[in-house]
Amino acid sequence: ELKVEQNPLFLSMQEGKNYTIYCNYSTTSDRLYWYRQDPGKSLESLFVLLSNGAVKQEGRLMASLDTKARLSTLHITAAVHDLSATYFCAVPGSARQLTFGSGTQLTVLP
Amino acid sequence: DAGVTQSPTHLIKTRGQQVTLRCSPKSGHDTVSWYQQALGQGPQFIFQYYEEEERQRGNFPDRFSGHQFPNYSSELNVNALLLGDSALYLCASSLHPPRGRQYFGPGTRLTVT
Repeated sequence: ELKVEQNPLFLSMQEGKNYTIYCNYSTTSDRLYWYRQDPGKSLESLFVLLSNGAVKQEGRLMASLDTKARLSTLHITAAVHDLSATYFCAVPGSARQLTFGSGTQLTVLP
Repeated sequence: DAGVTQSPTHLIKTRGQQVTLRCSPKSGHDTVSWYQQALGQGPQFIFQYYEEEERQRGNFPDRFSGHQFPNYSSELNVNALLLGDSALYLCASSLHPPRGRQYFGPGTRLTVT
């Protein structure tokens, strides 16, 4: 059974600081997805990582994938309040059904 | 280009009742997947529909059933509602096989009292 673990589950950080969210998964996968969710809202697709060593960046967020270590990271650079949200990583199964991590609730403090 | 749409937005039901949720996929997509997201948790896969058939199912009881129509839209039915069925129900659409990203709808918030 595929398991996806994220850490930390909760993260409070000061504006302007950097931090990394980690996503570990238990079985082989050639891709991984990151989503953002605002309170009471649906999931917004952030990144699709399609191969080992893939790195994607958009604004202050950068995601990477190491399929050999079964690890993905989401790095936040110089955080701003607008980044406050819950971030999920998700790994596809054999039929591409997604298994999600528990989420990281990020709060950026002024 | 219309994205994924879901209806209704919110729903309140009583234990033991039945509910039907609806989803229209993004234009050009033929595969619909349903997820349940309880408060404070990540989404859990319920099932996936393609060519009007259930192709994959997660760890959910038979009270959860679905249907896909020829126009690719889909319904999720839940019978004999329990308090624990209260959640945000998300529909995701993609091409088959869903190798690319899946696009999520706005969700239906179901409250069972």
